[in-house]
Amino acid sequence: RKEVEQDPGPFNVPEGATVAFNCTYSNSASQSFFWYRQDCRKEPKLLMSVYSSGNEDGRFTAQLNRASQYISLLIRDSKLSDSATYLCVVNPLSGSARQLTFGSGTQLTVLP
Amino acid sequence: DAGITQSPRHKVTETGTPVTLRCHQTENHRYMYWYRQDPGHGLRLIHYSYGVKDTDKGEVSDGYSVSRSKTEDFLLTLESATSSQTSVYFCAISEAGRSSYEQYFGPGTRLTVT
Repeated sequence: RKEVEQDPGPFNVPEGATVAFNCTYSNSASQSFFWYRQDCRKEPKLLMSVYSSGNEDGRFTAQLNRASQYISLLIRDSKLSDSATYLCVVNPLSGSARQLTFGSGTQLTVLP
Repeated sequence: DAGITQSPRHKVTETGTPVTLRCHQTENHRYMYWYRQDPGHGLRLIHYSYGVKDTDKGEVSDGYSVSRSKTEDFLLTLESATSSQTSVYFCAISEAGRSSYEQYFGPGTRLTVT
């Protein structure tokens, strides 16, 4: 089983739609969780951290369910510029500190 | 954007030749990382550094070595490049002393081994 699993998609949605991505992680001791965004042929960029209480940043909402080892990202009112690959990222606390484990990503295309 | 540069940005080399990729940061962050990204595998950690001259292996370290003689520079060397090392290589940095573990990435190096 992969440490971090995501539905690869692709998700094709119309502008203005709401779309949700899910991610599961295998290490119950994980402490830090993130969503990164990666545009085609670019580097990953931090979108948002995910906190136990859930957090929102504009149109983006991230939630964490520790009991189910599950992370989600909700995008409301999708824009064309949201088209990208979204990476679920976990700090597994295995080995030395500060390492991150990346999911393979979920591809989103927002259509006009 | 974090001050991270990578050089070269693109390289084509032949099997068996040595290759060195450079990552340079201006953020004075303690931690630096090298990843490779391949279709279907996501980002995989090659090596990382937790200080000058302090490095350790990641998930896919075979065939790679690293060096960090200054805080700002982290070098990745392929001693004898193979076609399986064709990939996109990303450098990342992370700041010590923070409760969170976010990393910030450089623009990447596209390496092709023929």
